[in-house]
Amino acid sequence: EAQVTQNPRYLITVTGKKLTVTCSQNMNHEYMSWYRQDPGLGLRQIYYSMNVEVTDKGDVPEGYKVSRKEKRNFPLILESPSPNQTSLYFCASSNGQSPGAYGYTFGSGTRLTVV
Amino acid sequence: AQKVTQAQTEISVVEKEDVTLDCVYETRDTTYYLFWYKQPPSGELVFLIRRNSFDEQNEISGRYSWNFQKSTSSFNFTITASQVVDSAVYFCALSEDLYNFNKFYFGSGTKLNVKP
Repeated sequence: EAQVTQNPRYLITVTGKKLTVTCSQNMNHEYMSWYRQDPGLGLRQIYYSMNVEVTDKGDVPEGYKVSRKEKRNFPLILESPSPNQTSLYFCASSNGQSPGAYGYTFGSGTRLTVV
Repeated sequence: AQKVTQAQTEISVVEKEDVTLDCVYETRDTTYYLFWYKQPPSGELVFLIRRNSFDEQNEISGRYSWNFQKSTSSFNFTITASQVVDSAVYFCALSEDLYNFNKFYFGSGTKLNVKP
């Protein structure tokens, strides 16, 4: 089944403790992206990657890191999480390098709480 | 200014009623794409439809239909004979040629409550 897999689904952590949210897609998609969803703010893009070793900042990149060493994986790293990073996170992938033309396939989401 | 405006924050209907979710967008491009996504209570985001700016034909898929009107910059979504399973947050999104379709603008979403 074609899908984007995120792990974990739920995570509670403490301020300052480094964490990684994994994302993997099995569709051989070139484009991958991370979004966060917050009440009243909708979906905001954190980082995106157009291909292996090619990453770029989205609208809200502060406090996050990403890497794209393999085509299928695009982990999101929070080096020192803070409470304002409590959010619902989505990984997404798209065929080609222009997600706006093809649309996204989204993962199931990761609900992160930083206390 | 918002690129994609979903003015209805929340709508409640009774099962079997028809409901229309509004989406108004803003762009100067002649080439763009519009999307609708559904987010059920379980949280995932599900793709519903993609429409390019050159195709103004209305689309119908079962109980779902979409009305694209460039003259009013709107891409409205109608659910006919709503069901409880339609309860979800619905997002409209825009992607423009200006940014090589690399950027998605999501609306803030409309929460639909369908009561039995």
